[in-house]
Amino acid sequence: GNSVTQMEGPVTLSEEAFLTINCTYTATGYPSLFWYVQYPGEGLQLLLKATKADDKGSNKGFEATYRKETTSFHLEKGSVQVSDSAVYFCALRGGGADGLTFGKGTHLIIQP
Amino acid sequence: ETGVTQTPRHLVMGMTNKKSLKCEQHLGHNAMYWYKQSAKKPLELMFVYNFKEQTENNSVPSRFSPECPNSSHLFLHLHTLQPEDSALYLCASSPRDLYGYTFGSGTRLTVV
Repeated sequence: GNSVTQMEGPVTLSEEAFLTINCTYTATGYPSLFWYVQYPGEGLQLLLKATKADDKGSNKGFEATYRKETTSFHLEKGSVQVSDSAVYFCALRGGGADGLTFGKGTHLIIQP
Repeated sequence: ETGVTQTPRHLVMGMTNKKSLKCEQHLGHNAMYWYKQSAKKPLELMFVYNFKEQTENNSVPSRFSPECPNSSHLFLHLHTLQPEDSALYLCASSPRDLYGYTFGSGTRLTVV
C-alpha cells in the first residue's frame, strides 16, 4: 500500500534560517505528491504539489522537487519567518486510491 | 473561509449520545472525504464519496455512519462512541480526477 514518511519534529529554527523537511514515500505506479500546511485551529491548506517526476512545486517561497529515483519530495525554504510556524504534512495520491495518504506531520517552530 | 464549511467547530458528547457532524461545500466538487486527525498519528482517511456514492470505507467501526445526500453535503453520524474516538474530524472535497483538495476547519470532538 501507499505510505509517507516524514521527520516529525518539532523542528525549531531562528528567523531567516534555511528550512528542509524531509519526506519519502512508497507507492505503486506514479503518484501525485503534495505538501499541506496546518496553522493552529485550522484545517489543512494545500501549499504546493507536483504531479510527475522532476516537477518542482513552489508557493510562498517554499519549494519541493519530485524525485522518483529517491522516492522523495523534500520541502525547502531559503529564509523562514515566524509566520511559517505551523504543522506541515507531506501527502501522496495514487495507486488507484481516491483519498490522500498523509505523513504524520512536522511541527515547525520559528523563533524571532 | 476555505469553501468547505464544517459544523459544529467543537462537540463534547457522552458515550451514549447520538450526534452528527456536517460538511458543506459549494465549490462544484464531486468528491468528498472524511478524515480523522489524532495526536501523534497520521491523518486517517475514513470515507470517500464520489458523485454521492461511497467508494471507500477504510475499516471504520460501524459507530461512525456517513451520509451523502447530494454532492454538496456530507454528514458523519456518531453513536455510542468511545473516548479514543476523540479527535479532530476533517472534511475535504475535490474535483473528480483532479488533484486539489480543499479542507474544512474541522470539528474538534471530545467523547466523555
